[in-house]
Amino acid sequence: GQQVMQIPQYQHVQEGEDFTTYCNSSTTLSNIQWYKQRPGGHPVFLIQLVKSGEVKKQKRLTFQFGEAKKNSSLHITATQTTDVGTYFCAGSRTNAGKSTFGDGTTLTVKP
Amino acid sequence: EAEVAQSPRYKITEKSQAVAFWCDPISGHATLYWYRQILGQGPELLVQFQDESVVDDSQLPKDRFSAERLKGVDSTLKIQPAELGDSAMYLCASSLRWIGAANTEAFFGQGTRLTVV
Repeated sequence: GQQVMQIPQYQHVQEGEDFTTYCNSSTTLSNIQWYKQRPGGHPVFLIQLVKSGEVKKQKRLTFQFGEAKKNSSLHITATQTTDVGTYFCAGSRTNAGKSTFGDGTTLTVKP
Repeated sequence: EAEVAQSPRYKITEKSQAVAFWCDPISGHATLYWYRQILGQGPELLVQFQDESVVDDSQLPKDRFSAERLKGVDSTLKIQPAELGDSAMYLCASSLRWIGAANTEAFFGQGTRLTVV
């Protein structure tokens, strides 16, 4: 079945440093979504990427979808303590199919 | 702001007992999902409803788990009998259309933390 892998599993950074998490699928995706889950909280939708090579920005967050639509990345510039949490990607093989979540990258930020 | 409501927030039950979780999605959301999230892992889809119909329950352990959404609004997930390995967070989510459809986001509830002892 479809597998979605995320690396790294954990990332510890000093406040102000950049952070990147990578998402890789075993199959070509129709689209990919990113979610953030704060400690003790629930996943919150961040963005959806649909087009090959697509790049979207939300303030300090930059999301990319690979040309082959099998991988994606989330980059945070100049991390802040409010960025702590686990970032999940969820990929769909078709527009009508279910999304499979990766196991997330947990970010901790040292002030 | 509209939210997905879940209850209870926490549940402790003994193994072999029955347990039920309730979810009220955002009004107007046709698609409802139940996920199980084990600590340190991503959410795993258990069942997906489109209105009152099940569209995906391939990962639902049907010998002990059941889910219903009788009127296409709120939903109940039941486990009977509960096993130690069922301890996890059970998340409900809803969306206007299914996750993965263009321009669709899923809204998650706070979840029910189940501990089976």
